Amino acid sequence: AQSVAQPEDQVNVAEGNPLTVKCTYSVSGNPYLFWYVQYPNRGLQFLLKYITGDNLVKGSYGFEAEFNKSQTSFHLKKPSALVSDSALYFCAVRGPLGSSNTGKLIFGQGTTLQVKP
Amino acid sequence: DAGVTQSPTHLIKTRGQQVTLRCSPISGHKSVSWYQQVLGQGPQFIFQYYEKEERGRGNFPDRFSARQFPNYSSELNVNALLLGDSALYLCASQKNTAPNYGYTFGSGTRLTVV
Repeated sequence: AQSVAQPEDQVNVAEGNPLTVKCTYSVSGNPYLFWYVQYPNRGLQFLLKYITGDNLVKGSYGFEAEFNKSQTSFHLKKPSALVSDSALYFCAVRGPLGSSNTGKLIFGQGTTLQVKP
Repeated sequence: DAGVTQSPTHLIKTRGQQVTLRCSPISGHKSVSWYQQVLGQGPQFIFQYYEKEERGRGNFPDRFSARQFPNYSSELNVNALLLGDSALYLCASQKNTAPNYGYTFGSGTRLTVV
């Protein structure tokens, strides 16, 4: 079964420092991976996705993610964190192709990013 | 272009009541999905509709139902509300169901059951 895991409930970084939010996945077949961000009392905002191609995916707001097939990871990164990046981040994988739920997204539990000034 | 529109933004219902949530996808998008996000958890898939047909169903009881209209808007209905149905309900819009198309989420409907 498809699944994602976000091993850290919270990540704390100082403004200006690089940040990493971790995600590992388990899929049958090729993975279709996504990162979303959620601000308080808001919906999910799309950051980036990996479908195929380059292992380094660039997304919105200066975020990028590195796809690592051997480690089954898709970690979210940013070279220099901003206080405004403080939010809840979700990694997600698409349901298995060819199944009745191929179109669904399976989300991790989320990681709260706290960027201190 | 307008994004994904959900209504209402908030509502409070009593146990045992029924509720209908509404979603209008991005213009030109033919697929709508519904998710339930309980506080402190990731969103859980409820339904996906494409071209007015159900394409997927998550592990939710039959009290949950949905439909998609010819204009691609969608309604989620929940009957016999329980306290545990209190959550943020998110609608996601997709141009079609091809794997390379992303999902755009609305701001959600916050349902509180008392």
